[in-house]
Amino acid sequence: NAGVTQTPKFQVLKTGQSMTLQCAQDMNHEYMSWYRQDPGMGLRLIHYSVGAGITDQGEVPNGYNVSRSTTEDFPLRLLSAAPSQTSVYFCASRSGQLRDTQYFGPGTRLTVL
Amino acid sequence: AQSVAQPEDQVNVAEGNPLTVKCTYSVSGNPYLFWYVQYPNRGLQFLLKYITGDNLVKGSYGFEAEFNKSQTSFHLKKPSALVSDSALYFCAVRDMRRNTGKLIFGQGTTLQVKP
Repeated sequence: NAGVTQTPKFQVLKTGQSMTLQCAQDMNHEYMSWYRQDPGMGLRLIHYSVGAGITDQGEVPNGYNVSRSTTEDFPLRLLSAAPSQTSVYFCASRSGQLRDTQYFGPGTRLTVL
Repeated sequence: AQSVAQPEDQVNVAEGNPLTVKCTYSVSGNPYLFWYVQYPNRGLQFLLKYITGDNLVKGSYGFEAEFNKSQTSFHLKKPSALVSDSALYFCAVRDMRRNTGKLIFGQGTTLQVKP
């Protein structure tokens, strides 16, 4: 199993540009989520999904959209990038069981100029 | 409110000495608790978790954690630190409200192990 994969690893955008961060998992996990990591703030939840076709907002959803058309994929879209979105983004997945471990992808480092 | 606190931004320890990274939590009901480690420029790696049962949980790389319900703590420990243990450590608790099961993270503790 590849686990949780993310692309790209690095990205530089100009303010106002749009882009999609890709996330895929091959573990047939129902639950997927996106976090952003900023210094001194831990990881903050952006959006999550409990299954295909179902998404919901986390703590910091503004400026981001998600969709979940398949179990495997959970892309994160930035519609109009802002410097405040400069961060490291992590995708994670786990099975539907609350006691199960959540596994993280390697991350995408995004810089918005 | 559901929350996790890691009171130390950084912990310094000499190689071979025992280490402790502290974590306290606030959650309604029985907690599901997790520790993750992040090496530089890498993603988070799972170390161990407490769901139920023995209060002392053993995990990867010789780490263990002690669940203390009365003190609402879940401190990470290792009997003998290695320089390669130097990394950023996150404690997390599962939010059981509305059955979403999302993880709530502490702000992280940087562990520096000096030779």
